Amino acid sequence: KNQVEQSPQSLIILEGKNCTLQCNYTVSPFSNLRWYKQDTGRGPVSLTIMTFSENTKSNGRYTATLDADTKQSSLHITASQLSDSASYICVVIRRGSTLGRLYFGRGTQLTVWP
Amino acid sequence: GAGVSQTPSNKVTEKGKYVELRCDPISGHTALYWYRQSLGQGPEFLIYFQGTGAADDSGLPNDRFFAVRPEGSVSTLKIQRTERGDSAVYLCASSRQGGTDTGSNEQFFGPGTRLTVL
Repeated sequence: KNQVEQSPQSLIILEGKNCTLQCNYTVSPFSNLRWYKQDTGRGPVSLTIMTFSENTKSNGRYTATLDADTKQSSLHITASQLSDSASYICVVIRRGSTLGRLYFGRGTQLTVWP
Repeated sequence: GAGVSQTPSNKVTEKGKYVELRCDPISGHTALYWYRQSLGQGPEFLIYFQGTGAADDSGLPNDRFFAVRPEGSVSTLKIQRTERGDSAVYLCASSRQGGTDTGSNEQFFGPGTRLTVL
């Protein structure tokens, strides 16, 4: 079964600290993996897109890693800011699938406190 | 417009009523997608349009749900005989192209319509 599991379900950190969010997937065959940020009441916004051959990709204070062998990805947030408070969703696309067939994780709800 | 827009932002209806949700994709985007997001869950695929035609509607839960995109731009998601279980946020997304799984066809999401069925 094609699944995407994220951990932790929720996380609270202090402003300025770093954190790492995890994503494990069983979607196969793999095409690419995306991390989205979803603010409350808003649609998801793409942070990174990683294909099979990419191990690391950065977007400002966000760094995503991918291990296609172990089917694991992580999203590392550096020097967190209050505006980082949001749900972070891991999305996997299966190779050969209709593009609309994204497999979503449930998300990690991150709260950054001052 | 600058992004994907959806109307209304909130819709409250009574069980058994008919509702229509509208999506305006980014101008020039040929692919359009509808998702449903329940509280605490990730979005769930409903239907994908390439131009005017529904290329994949396998995510529609039952025949009470129907979507159209008659001119290849604006799309309307229609729900008949609404049930309390239909309550969710309905998200629309668009991408420049569709039908491939390359990493370049990024989907841009609208803010969603929060549907509440009483």
